Amino acid sequence: QVQLVQSGAVLKRPGASVKVSCKASGYAFISYGIVWVRQAPGQGLEWMGWISELKDATNYARKFQGRVTMTTDTSTSAAYMELRGLRSDDTAVYYCARTHATDITHYFDSWGQGTLVTVSS
Amino acid sequence: DIVMTQSPDSLAVSLGERATINCKSSQSVLYSSNNKNYLTWYQHKPGQPPKLLITWASTRESGVPDRFSGSGSGTDFTLTISRLQAEDVAVYYCQQYYSTPPTFGQGTKVEIK
Repeated sequence: QVQLVQSGAVLKRPGASVKVSCKASGYAFISYGIVWVRQAPGQGLEWMGWISELKDATNYARKFQGRVTMTTDTSTSAAYMELRGLRSDDTAVYYCARTHATDITHYFDSWGQGTLVTVSS
Repeated sequence: DIVMTQSPDSLAVSLGERATINCKSSQSVLYSSNNKNYLTWYQHKPGQPPKLLITWASTRESGVPDRFSGSGSGTDFTLTISRLQAEDVAVYYCQQYYSTPPTFGQGTKVEIK
């Protein structure tokens, strides 16, 4: 079955960077895109961006442009999301999810378990 | 960006009764060329990732109980849980995928009365 397994919780200092991994299994990795969605404490879901190995493309939410980089490694069927210049309001659970390979905007049919990133001095 | 607004923010329903959640988009998410509404619903339980329930406004995902149904078109949509079960306690989100960026409603918390 489709599985997305994310890296574990981390604590970061303000100004630092974080890189979250998402390892996919149970499907042809290159045939689907990956999105990253975050949920801050007590808040709703926020789309951060999309990456497609098939289209060799990324699309980032305006809010995160310049601060986020999404990559994939097809040899290991893994996706990565790096967020730089961390602030306290970046404290959130970060999810990866499977989506369409060619449509930037689509629904998300399988999700990772989430990674808690805490930003605190 | 398309703004998605859900109502109510929370509701408490007795076991076996109906729960109704509304979702309104700031512009139509109906694509005229294929007559499809680019609207989906997720269920989110504490400590778990969101689960996809319904796509294209009314198509239930495989394995989703038939007490969950979606309806609506254009800018106004509804998720109905026909007979609430204890395991349905969760936050429910609508999301549009008509245009980039995809955007979510603020969520509706469903509890047992």
